Amino acid sequence: GIQVEQSPPDLILQEGANSTLRCNFSDSVNNLQWFHQNPWGQLINLFYIPSGTKQNGRLSATTVATERYSLLYISSSQTTDSGVYFCAVRGQAGTALIFGKGTTLSVSS
Amino acid sequence: GAVVSQHPSWVICKSGTSVKIECRSLDFQATTMFWYRQFPKQSLMLMATSNEGSKATYEQGVEKDKFLINHASLTLSTLTVTSAHPEDSSFYICSARETGGAWSPLHFGNGTRLTVT
Repeated sequence: GIQVEQSPPDLILQEGANSTLRCNFSDSVNNLQWFHQNPWGQLINLFYIPSGTKQNGRLSATTVATERYSLLYISSSQTTDSGVYFCAVRGQAGTALIFGKGTTLSVSS
Repeated sequence: GAVVSQHPSWVICKSGTSVKIECRSLDFQATTMFWYRQFPKQSLMLMATSNEGSKATYEQGVEKDKFLINHASLTLSTLTVTSAHPEDSSFYICSARETGGAWSPLHFGNGTRLTVT
């Protein structure tokens, strides 16, 4: 099955700093989603981005499907950005998302 | 739109009892739902794929007789943990995709935290 690798596993930032999270995947995908899991376990869907670039406020994401990677950019980080960021992909129509191990982000004031 | 409701949010049960978790798609029909399990500080692992009107498909290593899945309608799937043991304590999350949207994004419930004492 598809392998999903995320880096870095942990990231510690000061408030206001920028960061880039990376997701590499081992095979062609037709669905890629980025999630933020808050301390209560709730998964917040950030982006549905099988290819191309999207932006939503301070967050943006880019997926280069031909090179099998995706990047999540967080600018001007805030303490509320803390949590675990997951990348998840799907290779076949109708199947489940396969999750990476996540990047744990800690933003301090 | 595309809201998935999961109930209960948390449950504590005694060892040997059974617990049922519900997953509902509130504003769309979901032919297929997925159940995941997440242990502390780990990623989400797919347990099973639930298809409306047919038997669920379980991932390797997941006991189908222990984790009973029923998908009786286009808006409801249930996961029953039978004869629960402390090692079943975990965070269970369901997700669903809209019928006809093979490539559409998956929508996730808020999860159920199960503690077996």
